[in-house]
Amino acid sequence: DAGVIQSPRHEVTEMGQEVTLRCKPISGHDYLFWYRQTMMRGLELLIYFNNNVPIDDSGMPEDRFSAKMPNASFSTLKIQPSEPRDSAVYFCASSFTGRVGAFFGQGTRLTVV
Amino acid sequence: GDSVTQMEGPVTLSEEAFLTINCTYTATGYPSLFWYVQYPGEGLQLLLKATKADDKGSNKGFEATYRKETTSFHLEKGSVQVSDSAVYFCALIPKSTGNQFYFGTGTSLTVIP
Repeated sequence: DAGVIQSPRHEVTEMGQEVTLRCKPISGHDYLFWYRQTMMRGLELLIYFNNNVPIDDSGMPEDRFSAKMPNASFSTLKIQPSEPRDSAVYFCASSFTGRVGAFFGQGTRLTVV
Repeated sequence: GDSVTQMEGPVTLSEEAFLTINCTYTATGYPSLFWYVQYPGEGLQLLLKATKADDKGSNKGFEATYRKETTSFHLEKGSVQVSDSAVYFCALIPKSTGNQFYFGTGTSLTVIP
């Protein structure tokens, strides 16, 4: 398996633009997580899904952020409109049921100018 | 609530020195415990895990023992190498939830030749 695949690896966009981050989890995994990492706040859980259903989105910063998982092999995190304070590395991770540990993607480094 | 507390960094060691990174947790019941490692520019990788009291997780020369009496899961390595330079995260999954992770703030390790 190729692991968790995220795209793009780097994204530079202007303030106010829409940004869409993509994630393909490991086949067969039933949990998918979106995290944001910054120097100031560390690693923050934004939202996670179980069997494509959002379970906890309490970490989503505000209404500008939305996440979807239309099927078991694809998820998106959208920011509209983007702001400079959204600049961070966004990670997607997936796991099996059973508390066995999650596998992370390489991350998307987002810069909003 | 459930949480993880890690020793603050950064930690700087000479090659072949002994490493300890402290991690304590707060959780009800018996959580699963994990150490993740993040190399520069990459995502988090699962380093080792333990799912019940007195279990020892080990990988790549690193070890950690699940101590319920002290609610700890300290990471150790007998002889560090320059290639071990990275950020290390302690994490737990509570028994009461599905697969939601709680991460510590991370400890940066630099090993100098």
